[in-house]
Amino acid sequence: TQLLEQSPQFLSIQEGENLTVYCNSSSVFSSLQWYRQEPGEGPVLLVTVVTGGEVKKLKRLTFQFGDARKDSSLHITAAQPGDTGLYLCAGAEQAGTALIFGKGTTLSVSS
Amino acid sequence: DTAVSQTPKYLVTQMGNDKSIKCEQNLGHDTMYWYKQDSKKFLKIMFSYNNKELIINETVPNRFSPKSPDKAHLNLHINSLELGDSAVYFCASSQGTGLREKLFFGSGTQLSVL
Repeated sequence: TQLLEQSPQFLSIQEGENLTVYCNSSSVFSSLQWYRQEPGEGPVLLVTVVTGGEVKKLKRLTFQFGDARKDSSLHITAAQPGDTGLYLCAGAEQAGTALIFGKGTTLSVSS
Repeated sequence: DTAVSQTPKYLVTQMGNDKSIKCEQNLGHDTMYWYKQDSKKFLKIMFSYNNKELIINETVPNRFSPKSPDKAHLNLHINSLELGDSAVYFCASSQGTGLREKLFFGSGTQLSVL
């Protein structure tokens, strides 16, 4: 079973700070996804990265897929309280198999 | 309209009871899923259906039985509930079963077994 390890597990920062969340695996994934989950809601997809070395930007969020496609990172610039939530990385081993999720990073941004 | 809706939102019940959670999606997707999120927020796949056929059945006790009457609905029935079944259960859907499918999740059903 492939595992996706996320770090850190918890992150508590002040508004305006930058942060990076990591997602690592010993296995190669054809793509990785990042979701954000807010309390009382289901996860919502932020981005899918598919090419080794790919960088995608979503406003203040920057996602990177490792060259070997075994890891990914999420960088948030100038965090805001609205960024608070659980960030999950996810990947599928092969077509027809379900997405597996990392254990998540709980981010708290205080003003 | 909510894309993926599941009911009830909260379910509190006694050990040994039988309960069902319903899920409906109005996205026209072919594939639906049930995930379980434990108290540590770990999200784990339970079942997946594609066009009403079961395609993924992870190691889940037989007390859990999914049913898909049509491709827009996937319900989850749980028999003889146990304390360890307490969790948040999420229904999700996707267009297909490809590697890069985007999953759309419902808002979850928080099950508490007393």
